[in-house]
Amino acid sequence: EAQVTQNPRYLITVTGKKLTVTCSQNMNHEYMSWYRQDPGLGLRQIYYSMNVEVTDKGDVPEGYKVSRKEKRNFPLILESPSPNQTSLYFCASSPKRTGIANTEAFFGQGTRLTVV
Amino acid sequence: GNSVTQMEGPVTLSEEAFLTINCTYTATGYPSLFWYVQYPGEGLQLLLKATKADDKGSNKGFEATYRKETTSFHLEKGSVQVSDSAVYFCALSGVDTGRRALTFGSGTRLQVQP
Repeated sequence: EAQVTQNPRYLITVTGKKLTVTCSQNMNHEYMSWYRQDPGLGLRQIYYSMNVEVTDKGDVPEGYKVSRKEKRNFPLILESPSPNQTSLYFCASSPKRTGIANTEAFFGQGTRLTVV
Repeated sequence: GNSVTQMEGPVTLSEEAFLTINCTYTATGYPSLFWYVQYPGEGLQLLLKATKADDKGSNKGFEATYRKETTSFHLEKGSVQVSDSAVYFCALSGVDTGRRALTFGSGTRLQVQP
């Protein structure tokens, strides 16, 4: 079954304690990205990756890091989490397309993070 | 830059009522437009899409028409069911060869009562 898998689904942590949220896709997609979802703001892109070893900032990258060492995995790293990073996080992947950017994105089930 | 504006929710309807969720956008060029649905406790799923002006996307009884003249992509369904209760997101994908990001609206929660 084609899917994007995130772990963990729920996480409560304390300020400053490094954490990693994993994301894996089994569709051989080139493109992967991370979004955060906050009430009234919709989803905002944090980081994205066009392919292995190619990553770049999205709209709200401060306080986050990512890596793309393998095509299927795209972990999100919070080196020193703060309470304003409490949010619902989604990983998404999509295949490479040329021309018009009409590509559908496939989303993971989300990770609800609480930083106290 | 790109932006998407959706009507505020929640929208509460009785079963079999007609649904409209308004969505307007701002973008340069000719974006592709999407509606995603998020059921409770789940990730986002693509509901329908349209890639050029006057295209109509449809799925599961939902429809939306890409209107370039009014920069709109309103979601409609003729008869909603309790199982349609979810959060609906309008989104666009601009002609941006670099980021390929989706720009989302803030989401509209739909509650359908029996």
